[in-house]
Amino acid sequence: GDSVTQMEGPVTLSEEAFLTINCTYTATGYPSLFWYVQYPGEGLQLLLKATKADDKGSNKGFEATYRKETTSFHLEKGSVQVSDSAVYFCALRRMGGSEKLVFGKGTKLTVNP
Amino acid sequence: NAGVTQTPKFQVLKTGQSMTLQCAQDMNHEYMSWYRQDPGMGLRLIHYSVGAGITDQGEVPNGYNVSRSTTEDFPLRLLSAAPSQTSVYFCASSGQGFSYEQYFGPGTRLTVT
Repeated sequence: GDSVTQMEGPVTLSEEAFLTINCTYTATGYPSLFWYVQYPGEGLQLLLKATKADDKGSNKGFEATYRKETTSFHLEKGSVQVSDSAVYFCALRRMGGSEKLVFGKGTKLTVNP
Repeated sequence: NAGVTQTPKFQVLKTGQSMTLQCAQDMNHEYMSWYRQDPGMGLRLIHYSVGAGITDQGEVPNGYNVSRSTTEDFPLRLLSAAPSQTSVYFCASSGQGFSYEQYFGPGTRLTVT
C-alpha cells in the first residue's frame, strides 16, 4: 500500500540555521505530494504542494521538489526562525480509491533563538 | 469564510457513552473526511465522503459512524466510547480530485476514561 516515510524527530536548530526534513514515499502511479504544518494546539495547515514530477512547491521560504526518480519530496528552508517551530507532516494523495491523504508520522522542529 | 469548523473543542467521555463530533464547511467542497491523530502515528483516515448521501470507510472505521445529509455537514458518531478512542480528531474537506489540498478544522481533543 501507499506509505510516506519522513525523518524521525525531534529536530532542534538555532535561528538562521538551514533546515532539511527528508521525506520519501511509496505509491502506485503518480501521486500529489504535500507538506503540512501543525502549530501547537492547532489543526494542520497546507505549507506547500507539488502535483507532478519536477514541480517545486514553495511558501514562506520553504521549498520542496517532487523527485520521481528518488520518490522523494524533501522540505528545505535556508534560514529558520523561532516562529517555524512546529510539527511538519509529509503526505501524498493519489487518484483512485478513497483519495485519502497518507501521512508520514511527523517531524517536530524546535528553533531556539 | 469560516473554513472548516469543529465542535466541541474538548470532550471527556466515560467508557460506553456515545456522542457526536460536529464538522461543517462553507467552501462547497464535495470531499470530506475524518482523521484521528495519535502520538507517533501521524493521521489515520476513519471515514470519508465524496458527496451528500455517499460515505465510505477509511483505514480505522471500527467504533465510528458517519452520515452526509448535506454538502456542508459531516458528523462523526462514537457509538460506545472506549479508552482506545482517546485521540485528537480532525475533520477535513477538499475539492474532488487528488491534486487538491485538504483543509483541516481545528480538531476535537477527546478523552475516554
